[in-house]
Amino acid sequence: GENVEQHPSTLSVQEGDSAVIKCTYSDSASNYFPWYKQELGKRPQLIIDIRSNVGEKKDQRIAVTLNKTAKHFSLHITETQPEDSAVYFCAAPQAGKLIFGQGTELSVKP
Amino acid sequence: EAQVTQNPRYLITVTGKKLTVTCSQNMNHEYMSWYRQDPGLGLRQIYYSMNVEVTDKGDVPEGYKVSRKEKRNFPLILESPSPNQTSLYFCASSLAGGAKNIQYFGAGTRLSVL
Repeated sequence: GENVEQHPSTLSVQEGDSAVIKCTYSDSASNYFPWYKQELGKRPQLIIDIRSNVGEKKDQRIAVTLNKTAKHFSLHITETQPEDSAVYFCAAPQAGKLIFGQGTELSVKP
Repeated sequence: EAQVTQNPRYLITVTGKKLTVTCSQNMNHEYMSWYRQDPGLGLRQIYYSMNVEVTDKGDVPEGYKVSRKEKRNFPLILESPSPNQTSLYFCASSLAGGAKNIQYFGAGTRLSVL
């Protein structure tokens, strides 16, 4: 079945620096790759997603890149701010199921 | 307001006492699912439903039941809860295409089984 590995599990950066979180997946049929952000005590919410027909997608300070050959996709956050501190999850579908990575706790220090 | 509503938000129970966590969405979504969240393990899918009367097992279905008699409701049933089911539970819904579309999550239910 699908396996999604996410790294690192924790990430600490200084405000203004960039942060990169990487996920690898196993099912070559996967074609949709979302990223969710979960603030402390809140529900996960989608921040960006990418489909397999493109290699990169940007939304202001956030970007996602996809390498289908290597089966990995990454979240890039530039000019990090304290409000970016949260847990981030990647995910990939397997048939009707959605498989999430283990999560990355991002801490942005002022 | 478009939303996914779970109840209760917090629940403390004892081993073996049957419980139901309700989930309702008002967005006319076909796909609904349940996840549990545990430290270091991320979100793991318990069950999902592609549409009314259609349910399928996720990755961790043991000890849980679901039903989808109406489009808007997808209750999670624990027939005989055990301490290893202590967790944070999220219900989610999305448009047809389910796992390949945006998931809208409820606020979560924190369950403790003593």
